[in-house]
Amino acid sequence: EAGVVQSPRYKIIEKKQPVAFWCNPISGHNTLYWYLQNLGQGPELLIRYENEEAVDDSQLPKDRFSAERLKGVDSTLKIQPAELGDSAVYLCASSLNSFNEQFFGPGTRLTVL
Amino acid sequence: AQKVTQAQTEISVVEKEDVTLDCVYETRDTTYYLFWYKQPPSGELVFLIRRNSFDEQNEISGRYSWNFQKSTSSFNFTITASQVVDSAVYFCALSEKGAQKLVFGQGTRLTINP
Repeated sequence: EAGVVQSPRYKIIEKKQPVAFWCNPISGHNTLYWYLQNLGQGPELLIRYENEEAVDDSQLPKDRFSAERLKGVDSTLKIQPAELGDSAVYLCASSLNSFNEQFFGPGTRLTVL
Repeated sequence: AQKVTQAQTEISVVEKEDVTLDCVYETRDTTYYLFWYKQPPSGELVFLIRRNSFDEQNEISGRYSWNFQKSTSSFNFTITASQVVDSAVYFCALSEKGAQKLVFGQGTRLTINP
């Protein structure tokens, strides 16, 4: 069974440019998460989806970050405009439901110059 | 509020030694779940174990074992006869039934030297 797929794996952009990350969860997993992981830190939740509904986006900086999961499967996380401090690894995870273990993708390492 | 503390930032041992990674958590919920994840140099977080708050039985899986003690709010992870392939960053995490989100500790970087 395929795991969580993310693309791109690496992205380098200049500040003020837009960037988008894509995630395809494990088939059948209703819950999808986006996390931010800074160097030397544990992941921090940005947003959680139950099917296509964003049920927890309290940690998402809504002035520049947006996310969508239109058909309850794939998801896209966007930053516009990117700032230097956004350099980090963006992780996508999925689970059968909110109480099950989460399975993580390989992440997208973003560098903002 | 939920919080996880992994006081050991880095641990370095020689292969075949036993090593224990500490995890202390804080929560007000009576129903919660505890997790351990491994993050090797490749970067992908690998799920190791999930325990619920009503099950304090220790768990053993091969060379890995976990000790859950509600009295001290700890969920420690022991690797027996460590191997070089065990080198990674290990994260402990907590999910409250109410919040339904994982809160991670800072991680412990484990290095196993040959």
